[in-house]
Amino acid sequence: QSVLTQPPSASATPGQRVTISCSGSRSNIGTNFLYWYQQLPGTAPKLLIYENNQRPSGVPDRFSGSQSGTSASLAISGLRSEDEAVYYCAAWDNSLSGPVFGGGTKVTVL
Amino acid sequence: QVQLVQSGAEVKKPGSSVRVSCKASGGPFNTYAISWLRQAPGHGLEWMGGIIPIFAKANYAQNFQGRVTISADESTTTAYMELSSLRSDDTAVFYCARGRGTYSLKDAFDIWGQGTMVTVSS
Repeated sequence: QSVLTQPPSASATPGQRVTISCSGSRSNIGTNFLYWYQQLPGTAPKLLIYENNQRPSGVPDRFSGSQSGTSASLAISGLRSEDEAVYYCAAWDNSLSGPVFGGGTKVTVL
Repeated sequence: QVQLVQSGAEVKKPGSSVRVSCKASGGPFNTYAISWLRQAPGHGLEWMGGIIPIFAKANYAQNFQGRVTISADESTTTAYMELSSLRSDDTAVFYCARGRGTYSLKDAFDIWGQGTMVTVSS
């Protein structure tokens, strides 16, 4: 049982937009930054979004993050086949004194 | 560019211990947190603990407290994770990952090791 809640799957056709939600509580998303990671099959996770909505160098602007209260979302616009991956949200949790993760959302490009 | 290179796959018996290394190169080591995460087959990511090498004191997740030891050797820019009393459900890929900012365990993980598969089987 993950501390942060994500839908297990999401899908869309190439070029469309897909949004992934991430729900938490005041001890994590409500008071700390939210991060998103992308994990392609058989590879290590990659940082996609930090501090709620910031993209590291090299991450396309098709990826955007937002946060409000105890929830956050990741949007992927102009979906491409190479975006097929599992996406994890994460945030520091003050009660647990460590980062917590969502269970992951598998994005399928139809 | 900073790189983290982990040690190779391990096969261990239940009840034994495993030690995984994570060698950092290409950038500063002492002031950036190194965390360890576990990912069981088909499952998500779980933080085990982390250390900021210059402070030498590790922080551990409650789920792993007492079973995991994380350390760092500044002279070789290598971090270590030792997990004891291994069980079959410890079979997983273990990752080391570096925090994006200095002096903080709370930051995002911007550099990841390639992962080390540990199989626990009798």
